[in-house]
Amino acid sequence: GNSVTQMEGPVTLSEEAFLTINCTYTATGYPSLFWYVQYPGEGLQLLLKATKADDKGSNKGFEATYRKETTSFHLEKGSVQVSDSAVYFCALIGSSNTGKLIFGQGTTLQVKP
Amino acid sequence: GAGVSQSPRYKVAKRGQDVALRCDPISGHVSLFWYQQALGQGPEFLTYFQNEAQLDKSGLPSDRFFAERPEGSVSTLKIQRTQQEDSAVYLCASSLVRGETQYFGPGTRLLVL
Repeated sequence: GNSVTQMEGPVTLSEEAFLTINCTYTATGYPSLFWYVQYPGEGLQLLLKATKADDKGSNKGFEATYRKETTSFHLEKGSVQVSDSAVYFCALIGSSNTGKLIFGQGTTLQVKP
Repeated sequence: GAGVSQSPRYKVAKRGQDVALRCDPISGHVSLFWYQQALGQGPEFLTYFQNEAQLDKSGLPSDRFFAERPEGSVSTLKIQRTQQEDSAVYLCASSLVRGETQYFGPGTRLLVL
C-alpha cells in the first residue's frame, strides 16, 4: 500500500541555518505530494505541493522537488527563522483512491535565536 | 470566517460514553474527510464524503465509529461506547472537489478516561 516515511525529529537549528527534512514515499502510479505544517496551537496548513515528477513546490522560502527516481520529496529552506518552529508533515494522495491524504509521522522543527 | 470549523474543541468522556463531533466545512466544498491523529503521529484517514454520499469508510477502526453528512454540508462523527484507545485529535478537512487542496479544521481533542 501507499506510505510516507519522514526523518525522525526533533530537528533543532539556529536561526539562519539551512534546513532539510527528508521524506520518501511508496506508492503505485503517480501520486501527488504535499508538505503540511502545524504551528503550535493551530490547525494543519498546506505549505506546498507538487503533482508530477520534477515539479518543484515552493512557498514562504520553503522548497521541495518531486523526485520519482528516488521516490523522495525533501523539504528545504535556505535560512530558517524562529517563526518556522512547527511540526512538518509530508503526505501523498495516491493516483487511484478517493483523494485521502496519507501522512508521514511528522518532524518537529525547533529554531533557536 | 470562511475556514473549516469543528466543535467541540475539547471533549472529555468516560469510558463507555457516546460522543458526537461536528464539522462545518467551507461552504460549497463537495469533499469532506475525517482523520484521526494520535499523539506524536501523523493524521490517519477515517472516512470520506462526496456531498452526502459516504464513498470510503475503510479507515474507520471499528463499528463503534459512525459518520454522516445528511445534507452534504455539516458532518458528524459519532463514537459509541468510547474506549481509552479512542483518545486522539479528530480532524476534519474539506476540499472543493476530490483531489484539490484539503483545508483542515482546528480539530477536536478527545480524551477518554
